[in-house]
Amino acid sequence: QTVVTQEPSLTVSPGGTVTLTCASSTGGVTSGHHANWFQQKPGLAPRALIHSTVNKHSWTPARFSGSLLGGKAALTLSGVQPEDEAEYYCSLFSGAAWVFGGGTKLTVL
Amino acid sequence: EVQLVESGGGLVQPGGSLKVSCGASGFTFSSSSMSWVRQAPGEGLEWVASIQKDGSEKYYADSVMGRFTISRDNAKNSLYLQMNSLRAEDTAVYYCARDGDDYRLCVYWGQGTLVTVSS
Repeated sequence: QTVVTQEPSLTVSPGGTVTLTCASSTGGVTSGHHANWFQQKPGLAPRALIHSTVNKHSWTPARFSGSLLGGKAALTLSGVQPEDEAEYYCSLFSGAAWVFGGGTKLTVL
Repeated sequence: EVQLVESGGGLVQPGGSLKVSCGASGFTFSSSSMSWVRQAPGEGLEWVASIQKDGSEKYYADSVMGRFTISRDNAKNSLYLQMNSLRAEDTAVYYCARDGDDYRLCVYWGQGTLVTVSS
C-alpha cells in the first residue's frame, strides 16, 4: 500500500514563508493524486484547506497555497500568522483509496 | 449550516463489535458522498472508508477491509460504520466527514466519537 511522507516538524518565524511537502512511496505526485490538505489544532477536528492540489476552499486564507513541487505536493504559507501553528496533513488518492501522510507539526516561533 | 454529529462510541472488548452513527443536517445528505476517518490517541489521521451518494459503491482501507462496513440511510440522513472483530489498534476517535465533488475529501467534519478497544 502507498505510504505518504511529510516532514515531521517545521519551524517558521511570524511573517515568514514555509513550504510543507507530501511525497508518495510509489513515485512522483501528480495532479492525478488529487492532493488534499488539512489543518488540525489540538483538541479540534481537522479543517479542510486545499483540494485537488491547488484549489482553496471558500474559507481558506489567501496566505495558503497548494502546488506540485519537485515531484511532491506542496502547501506554502506566506506571511505566517501565530494562529497558523498547528498540525498539517496531506492526503493522496491512490488506487480507489485515500492515504494520509503522517502530518507536519508547524511551530510559529 | 452543515452539521455532522457522531454517536455510538464506547468501550468494547477485543474481538467484539460496535456500530457508530453520524447524523447529518444543513445540506442535502443524499447528494453527498461521505467518509469515515479515524485518529488514534496522539497519532495522525487515517482514512477508513468512503461511500458514494446512493450507497452503490464503497471503498475501504486495507487495515479494515473485511471487518468494517460503511453504510448509509438517506431517508434518515444518517451514516454508519459497523465494526467487527475489533482490535486494540482500532482504538481511535472516529470522524464522520462530508466529501465534495471532484475529489474534495472531507470538506466538512464532525467532532468525532471515541472507540476504545480494551479488555
